[in-house]
Amino acid sequence: NAGVTQTPKFRILKIGQSMTLQCAQDMNHNYMYWYRQDPGMGLKLIYYSVGAGITDKGEVPNGYNVSRSTTEDFPLRLELAAPSQTSVYFCASSDYQGDLNYGYTFGSGTRLTVV
Amino acid sequence: AQTVTQSQPEMSVQEAETVTLSCTYDTSESDYYLFWYKQPPSRQMILVIRQEAYKQQNATENRFSVNFQKAAKSFSLKISDSQLGDAAMYFCAYVNRDDKIIFGKGTRLHILP
Repeated sequence: NAGVTQTPKFRILKIGQSMTLQCAQDMNHNYMYWYRQDPGMGLKLIYYSVGAGITDKGEVPNGYNVSRSTTEDFPLRLELAAPSQTSVYFCASSDYQGDLNYGYTFGSGTRLTVV
Repeated sequence: AQTVTQSQPEMSVQEAETVTLSCTYDTSESDYYLFWYKQPPSRQMILVIRQEAYKQQNATENRFSVNFQKAAKSFSLKISDSQLGDAAMYFCAYVNRDDKIIFGKGTRLHILP
């Protein structure tokens, strides 16, 4: 049972480069999320999805894009990387059973540095 | 707007002792969830405990329990018989029925042998 798998674990980008952070879950969760965690801070929501084909902005969406073509995959795209995007990125999915949220399962994170 | 405040940036506790981490939140909603997550040095976010706001009974998970005071908007985490493996950042999180989640800034817990 892999849970939520994120790749890569580490990446260094140059300013202006682009990349895609991959996220896959094998728990058949409908809800998926992308967060960033800056040093000494909690997590801030970038984008989320309530199901395949449906995505919406979170608190800090600027500079990012997402897609959700399948239930399993939720990639995060960074276009024109900037130093302000240096952070640790977490993908998560949530286990809703009926109307009850039983918690979030997180990936192990991607440490991204933009230089 | 909802906010989550963890007023203790760092705490230390002796191994085998009990420690309480505080969390307060601000909301005008009546139906929501509260979570405590643990983030060890591995960076993995691990669910410790969850509480549904409509339940008056405090949640417990083995050595972890909460003191949920809905009127005071307080959600503290008590760790009993602290172990070295409990050393981590602990995040309090609020989730409303629209699935909007807000994290506190975290409390770093040190366990002293």
